[in-house]
Amino acid sequence: KNEVEQSPQNLTAQEGEFITINCSYSVGISALHWLQQHPGGGIVSLFMLSSGKKKHGRLIATINIQEKHSSLHITASHPRDSAVYICAARSNFGNEKLTFGTGTRLTIIP
Amino acid sequence: KAGVTQTPRYLIKTRGQQVTLSCSPISGHRSVSWYQQTPGQGLQFLFEYFSETQRNKGNFPGRFSGRQFSNSRSEMNVSTLELGDSALYLCASSFFPSTDTQYFGPGTRLTVL
Repeated sequence: KNEVEQSPQNLTAQEGEFITINCSYSVGISALHWLQQHPGGGIVSLFMLSSGKKKHGRLIATINIQEKHSSLHITASHPRDSAVYICAARSNFGNEKLTFGTGTRLTIIP
Repeated sequence: KAGVTQTPRYLIKTRGQQVTLSCSPISGHRSVSWYQQTPGQGLQFLFEYFSETQRNKGNFPGRFSGRQFSNSRSEMNVSTLELGDSALYLCASSFFPSTDTQYFGPGTRLTVL
């Protein structure tokens, strides 16, 4: 079992829909990152959170430390949101390495 | 402010050769991390440097090595290349390791023939 699991693997939605991507982790963490990767490879860091909730524009990230679960929400989705979204857990012991989920490929249809 | 730059962007090598990839962090950032991304394994952590010291290392063989210079620029080296080393190699920089948002470079796509 991977230390970081994401669901769904693929998600197709209509423009304007509310999107939720889930991330579960099994290790103790100091922080949880959400990343966005567009075709061509460029990665943008969206959020880094260790508790509660963060919001940036139409994007919202939440984390429940007790349940070891985080969600990324996109409100009023737009075709330009089409990308791969990756969560990554920063271990809170040992080498503090980042362990990545396998990513969720999101496609927003106009 | 200029972003993270990586050179070269594309590289083709043959098995057995070695390769050196370079990463220049955002000005003022002292932490640089390297990652490998492949279709099969996804993103995997290689190593992390801060102030010229390697803080962390992922589960990669000793053929993978790196270093960081006093100006925070970093290089990673892969010796005795194997077909499985074909991947997108990404570096990311931040002010401090572990607790700070990372900014990613565009990556170097390495193809091993």
